[in-house]
Amino acid sequence: GAVVSQHPSWVICKSGTSVKIECRSLDFQATTMFWYRQFPKQSLMLMATSNEGSKATYEQGVEKDKFLINHASLTLSTLTVTSAHPEDSSFYICSARTSGGTQETQYFGPGTRLLVL
Amino acid sequence: AQTVTQSQPEMSVQEAETVTLSCTYDTSESDYYLFWYKQPPSRQMILVIRQEAYKQQNATENRFSVNFQKAAKSFSLKISDSQLGDAAMYFCAYWGNAGNMLTFGGGTRLMVKP
Repeated sequence: GAVVSQHPSWVICKSGTSVKIECRSLDFQATTMFWYRQFPKQSLMLMATSNEGSKATYEQGVEKDKFLINHASLTLSTLTVTSAHPEDSSFYICSARTSGGTQETQYFGPGTRLLVL
Repeated sequence: AQTVTQSQPEMSVQEAETVTLSCTYDTSESDYYLFWYKQPPSRQMILVIRQEAYKQQNATENRFSVNFQKAAKSFSLKISDSQLGDAAMYFCAYWGNAGNMLTFGGGTRLMVKP
């Protein structure tokens, strides 16, 4: 299957700082990428859909000014958690969709554990 | 809006035995995709199997197979010859043409007993 990388895998930061998470599709081009948040023992919660070259579409209840998404190329999307607070501590997962054809599928990165102190 | 329901929060199976995980969904679309993803303790989401709604034939991937009942809107996953490495959270997911996102079920935690 296609490979999606995510960096960093772990980040610990102080309250008030900003954290950037990168998501890359390594062996395919992804016109659409997705950012999820997952709380312990729960399913994935979609935060936003990122389309290459355009503004991200945020789900209801997700603050777009807090969670900045940039999808600058067909293989890279970034999520920046601005002025992070302890309640932002979570597991963040990105996903990239293979484009076109009948084998369209969504592949996931390994996730980023964020801990805000 | 589409919904995906996994009615079994936890399941347990003896090593080498067979287990079936249930999934039902609600949609008004006729053309869509269904997926099963596995999330082991590492939390990496891994695609297990994929089914196109227009295909009547059930998808299979080695020890994993599905029972896709379109009229009943049911999409169960059968794991044969269960192995210890199969222990994980399993998520059923729906992807329709009208939407642009995967809709996940709540997940089923599978435990494999040696």
